[in-house]
Amino acid sequence: KAGVTQTPRYLIKTRGQQVTLSCSPISGHRSVSWYQQTPGQGLQFLFEYFSETQRNKGNFPGRFSGRQFSNSRSEMNVSTLELGDSALYLCASSFWQGGITYEQYFGPGTRLTVT
Amino acid sequence: SQQGEEDPQALSIQEGENATMNCSYKTSINNLQWYRQNSGRGLVHLILIRSNEREKHSGRLRVTLDTSKKSSSLLITASRAADTASYFCATDVRGGADGLTFGKGTHLIIQP
Repeated sequence: KAGVTQTPRYLIKTRGQQVTLSCSPISGHRSVSWYQQTPGQGLQFLFEYFSETQRNKGNFPGRFSGRQFSNSRSEMNVSTLELGDSALYLCASSFWQGGITYEQYFGPGTRLTVT
Repeated sequence: SQQGEEDPQALSIQEGENATMNCSYKTSINNLQWYRQNSGRGLVHLILIRSNEREKHSGRLRVTLDTSKKSSSLLITASRAADTASYFCATDVRGGADGLTFGKGTHLIIQP
C-alpha cells in the first residue's frame, strides 16, 4: 500500500498570504487528521475529518481551516499567514470504525516558512 | 495542553544497551501510542496499547501501560545507531475524535 503523501514538501510564504496544503491518505482510510509541529509547542492537533465531515478541531484560530473530499483526500488552508505559522504540518490517516481508534499513519509533512 | 509528558527529555546510551523512556498522562484514555521521528520528518507508528492491555511487544520494543498510575514505558532492547530519533507518546482520549495528544518527546542518541 502506498503511504500518506503530502504536497508540497516545502513552502516559503510571506506574511499576509494564504496557503493550501494537500494530503492523500492511505487507500481505505477515511479518517484524516492534521497536526502542527513547532519547536516551542511541539505537536498540536489541528482538526480531524471523517467522511468529508470535520469531527473536531483543536485550539487554533479560524484562519486555519480544512476540508475533505469524497475520495478522502484532504486539504488544509491557512489564511493571513503570520510568522508564528512557520512549522512542520503533518497529516495522518487512520482506519476508524465504531469508536475504535487504530494507529495513525503520518505523511512526511510540509515544511512551511513564513517570512 | 500536553496530555503526555515523556521522561527523560534526552537520553544518550551506547550501542547495544537498552533504552527506557517513560510517559505520564493526566486523564483517562482509550489507548496510548508510541511514535518515532527522525530529524523533523514524519512520524512512524511503533506500538498502540489499549487501556485494557498491560504490555505489548513488537520486535525489540516492549511497551507497558499502568492506567492506575497513568503512565507508560517504552523499552528498546539491544539498541542500534539507527534507533537514534525522537520518541513520542500520544494519548487518545475520545476514540480519535479529539485527535492524539502528544508529549514533548524523548530525544534518544545511540553512540556507536
